[in-house]
Amino acid sequence: KQEVTQIPAALSVPEGENLVLNCSFTDSAIYNLQWFRQDPGKGLTSLLLIQSSQREQTSGRLNASLDKSSGRSTLYIAASQPGDSATYLCAVKDNYGQNFVFGPGTRLSVLP
Amino acid sequence: KAGVTQTPRYLIKTRGQQVTLSCSPISGHRSVSWYQQTPGQGLQFLFEYFSETQRNKGNFPGRFSGRQFSNSRSEMNVSTLELGDSALYLCASSRDPRGNTIYFGEGSWLTVV
Repeated sequence: KQEVTQIPAALSVPEGENLVLNCSFTDSAIYNLQWFRQDPGKGLTSLLLIQSSQREQTSGRLNASLDKSSGRSTLYIAASQPGDSATYLCAVKDNYGQNFVFGPGTRLSVLP
Repeated sequence: KAGVTQTPRYLIKTRGQQVTLSCSPISGHRSVSWYQQTPGQGLQFLFEYFSETQRNKGNFPGRFSGRQFSNSRSEMNVSTLELGDSALYLCASSRDPRGNTIYFGEGSWLTVV
């Protein structure tokens, strides 16, 4: 059974810092991995999708990497801004194309 | 284009009642999945539908059920509500079950009193 963990659970940084969020999964037989952002009381917004054959994806100030063999993914946020404050979740889908399994999320606060 | 639409956004029910939540996927998307989000358990998968067929079901009791219509709209139903069913229920859509990016709605907040 796939299990996804995220470290740290919460993070508070001053504006302008570069930061890294970590995601680990127990079963490396994944189809893809997706990073989401969730604002309080809202739904999830997809940030980056990495297919199992890819090593990384970039979108603006965001960069996500994937190391299937070690069961890890990282989300790198460059030059953080207060508007980046949210909960970030990673989710993996297995090779059978079944449902996503979500991590518990990292709650990020970027202080002005 | 319009995103995933969920109705109602907020509702309060009494223990023992039942509730029906609705989800309209993005136009052209035929796969709809449902998730329950609570502070203690996080996001948990409920079920997934594609072309009116349930493809996969999470580990929830039979009180939780769903269906999908020919226009891809989906509903989920929870019968005999319990206090522990209080949660944010999220619907997500994608083009197909193996489709890449999934798009979430804003969710339906259910409070059981």
